[in-house]
Amino acid sequence: DTEVTQTPKHLVMGMTNKKSLKCEQHMGHRAMYWYKQKAKKPPELMFVYSYEKLSINESVPSRFSPECPNSSLLNLHLHALQPEDSALYLCASSQDPGGGSDTQYFGPGTRLTVL
Amino acid sequence: DAKTTQPTSMDCAEGRAANLPCNHSTISGNEYVYWYRQIHSQGPQYIIHGLKNNETNEMASLIITEDRKSSTLILPHATLRDTAVYYCIVRVRAGANNLFFGTGTRLTVIP
Repeated sequence: DTEVTQTPKHLVMGMTNKKSLKCEQHMGHRAMYWYKQKAKKPPELMFVYSYEKLSINESVPSRFSPECPNSSLLNLHLHALQPEDSALYLCASSQDPGGGSDTQYFGPGTRLTVL
Repeated sequence: DAKTTQPTSMDCAEGRAANLPCNHSTISGNEYVYWYRQIHSQGPQYIIHGLKNNETNEMASLIITEDRKSSTLILPHATLRDTAVYYCIVRVRAGANNLFFGTGTRLTVIP
């Protein structure tokens, strides 16, 4: 089973709202990732959690706040977003952080629209 | 960091083999080549990866040149469901696990 689940599938929020995206995997993977994908562009890395600790933050604005409550869950808390933050947000997980041939498996994504 | 170059788009007739090239001339000796694909508005799907030797699985074959400066993903019998953007990725930042997605190749399988 290589399933990563993400909720919600779609989210519409105003610029003053606070919302959260959720990601879950039950493959025993020790690394989890958030990517952002704008329309007609490739995914871009935002954050990496390795063994439940934040290991990479790709200079993401503080209005995006990641959280890894345990090894199976990854959240992305959203606050005071801008319309340009509208995108597909993808979660991924992998078995062996730092391993040369480690494979990432992606969830279906959350389509976020900021009004 | 090794980067990749892929054609922007390709067409393939249904039932024929689709051969998708990728150049990665600055690849380091310990960097793997990964292939993912993304069907419209879905999450990227892992296809295959390799280091030096050619690899095959139930989805595709990966042919890596001896100098490792290029590779080809082969879908042996393309179907309409293989229409997608295909990304060739070389792992960057040894010790980290992030993937750098280039612009990819948009493969269209034609009936």
